[in-house]
Amino acid sequence: QVQLVESGGTVVQPGGSLRLSCAASGFTFGDYYMSWIRQAPGKGLEWLSYISTSGSTIYYGDSVKGRFTMSRDNAQNSLYLQMDSLTAEDAAVYYCARDRPFNWNYDRFDYWGQGALVTVSS
Amino acid sequence: QSVLTQPPSVSGAPGQRVTISCTGSSSNIGAGYDVHWYQQLPGTAPKLLIYDNDNRPSGVPDRFSGSKSDTSASLAITGLQAEDEADYYCQSRDNSLSGWRIFGGGTKLTVL
Repeated sequence: QVQLVESGGTVVQPGGSLRLSCAASGFTFGDYYMSWIRQAPGKGLEWLSYISTSGSTIYYGDSVKGRFTMSRDNAQNSLYLQMDSLTAEDAAVYYCARDRPFNWNYDRFDYWGQGALVTVSS
Repeated sequence: QSVLTQPPSVSGAPGQRVTISCTGSSSNIGAGYDVHWYQQLPGTAPKLLIYDNDNRPSGVPDRFSGSKSDTSASLAITGLQAEDEADYYCQSRDNSLSGWRIFGGGTKLTVL
């Protein structure tokens, strides 16, 4: 069965950096685009970024563009989110989600991880 | 401010029917992009509930249905059950924002 497991969530100081990981299993990871989505405490869902199957195409939302970097390692079935210059507004649960497959152009998230909590506090 | 607009809350008694609206614009739903719905039970990750406007993934009860018209979409839940109490989010794509996926602000469903 499809599984996505995030890790790396912790407490980080304002201005600090953090890298989140997402381990995928149960499907051919390299055949799927992947996305990161976050949810601030008590708030709604915010799409952050997506990456193509090869990693050659990456899109970012305005709120994280220039500060966050998404990457993937298909050999390790892993997805990453490098987060720099963190502020209190970045405190949230971060989800990785399976996006479209390489051969089909849709834009839904059919599987989600359980989330990784990032707290930004001094 | 979300690009897709949902009511913050809706409620209904067990057995009743409720609908949740999702209003967009000509650059997203009105441009022909599909709408998807997610259910988020308290303390859990969102789960895909309806995809491509009106399709249910395997395992989703047929009490849940979706529709889309012009620049808006709706999620309907019939035969409301206590276990349906959750947050519901619509999601689509916007052609003014390359590659972007967009969410509604979410709707809290309370079963009275």
